[in-house]
Amino acid sequence: DGGITQSPKYLFRKEGQNVTLSCEQNLNHDAMYWYRQDPGQGLRLIYYSQIVNDFQKGDIAEGYSVSREKKESFPLTVTSAQKNPTAFYLCASSIEGSSYEQYFGPGTRLTVT
Amino acid sequence: GENVEQHPSTLSVQEGDSAVIKCTYSDSASNYFPWYKQELGKRPQLIIDIRSNVGEKKDQRIAVTLNKTAKHFSLHITETQPEDSAVYFCAAPSYSGAGSYQLTFGKGTKLSVIP
Repeated sequence: DGGITQSPKYLFRKEGQNVTLSCEQNLNHDAMYWYRQDPGQGLRLIYYSQIVNDFQKGDIAEGYSVSREKKESFPLTVTSAQKNPTAFYLCASSIEGSSYEQYFGPGTRLTVT
Repeated sequence: GENVEQHPSTLSVQEGDSAVIKCTYSDSASNYFPWYKQELGKRPQLIIDIRSNVGEKKDQRIAVTLNKTAKHFSLHITETQPEDSAVYFCAAPSYSGAGSYQLTFGKGTKLSVIP
């Protein structure tokens, strides 16, 4: 299971704090994605990036921010404006856009209290 | 945007029986339909996908069928084994503006194979 990594595996934060989740890939993929997974909700797209220095909002972008300064890195910041941040966050990458296989990282479980 | 509905949400089958999971989509322009398997505590992984120029694709015990007219596609698992127990997600792409497409996932089906 190499290729795309996320850190840390578990993250705990107090309410009101911003937190940044790391996502790195060495697959030379152009496209990268962030999903949020809640029980019974499937995978919901937060942000995606098809190329360096460019990214678009997904279906649930409010309260989140991203950057794509390097091809291999796509960090996600969960801001204090996100009303319900406790969730499992998955990062993924693909060669190009959404019509190609997405490779997922192992995920980060964020708990905010 | 795309609306993907997946049924059933849970499915229990006896080992050796077949399992079928169905998804419907709303965007008639969608042309790529992947299925992902997520075992407990692990990351989702692609198990099979189909493009709109074919109606069926098989890979050993797994097959996917596509009906573009009715806008639905299905995952078929034959001769189920305990290691098939997992959550399965379907997905379909939709146009999200500025030449970009994004995948919309179904809510998942938890498959339990009873030995």
